[in-house]
Amino acid sequence: NAGVTQTPKFQVLKTGQSMTLQCAQDMNHEYMSWYRQDPGMGLRLIHYSVGAGITDQGEVPNGYNVSRSTTEDFPLRLLSAAPSQTSVYFCASSHGVSGANVLTFGAGSRLTVL
Amino acid sequence: AQSVTQLGSHVSVSEGALVLLRCNYSSSVPPYLFWYVQYPNQGLQLLLKYTSAATLVKGINGFEAEFKKSETSFHLTKPSAHMSDAAEYFCAVGPPRGNKLVFGAGTILRVKS
Repeated sequence: NAGVTQTPKFQVLKTGQSMTLQCAQDMNHEYMSWYRQDPGMGLRLIHYSVGAGITDQGEVPNGYNVSRSTTEDFPLRLLSAAPSQTSVYFCASSHGVSGANVLTFGAGSRLTVL
Repeated sequence: AQSVTQLGSHVSVSEGALVLLRCNYSSSVPPYLFWYVQYPNQGLQLLLKYTSAATLVKGINGFEAEFKKSETSFHLTKPSAHMSDAAEYFCAVGPPRGNKLVFGAGTILRVKS
């Protein structure tokens, strides 16, 4: 049982490049989300999904796109990377009906934009 | 809207001493409250959660937290610190369902030998 798997663990981009952070979970969780972690700011919600085909914006969605074609996968796309997107990104999942918001987190993806 | 304030970005205690990490929340609806811990270069893992049942919540590794509605607080405590408790701790507030948690800025706990 792998839990939540994020790839890549590390990535360096140049300003203007695009990329996709991958997230997959094998727990059949309905809810998935992306957070970014910046020093002194905790975790901030980027986008979230309550099921396949359903996504919505969180607190800091600008510059990011998501889609949820399957229950298992929730990729995060950076359309045109900016230095302000240098951060550590965490994917998380949880049960929909039960689970009371107990999030299972991936190990994180550290992104540097030059 | 919901928000969380963690008092103290860094807390230092001696091994064997009491650990107290402070969290105050703001919520227009009855909150669900959580403490997560993050060890270096890892993701977050749940320590404990409050979901409107008992106000004193016990978690893993000897931690506990008390929900005080009158003070809008959910402070995390542990009677005796261990070196392995050194980590960053996050308080979070959220709705009954879903994954739209609002996190505090985090408190880094240092344990001195």
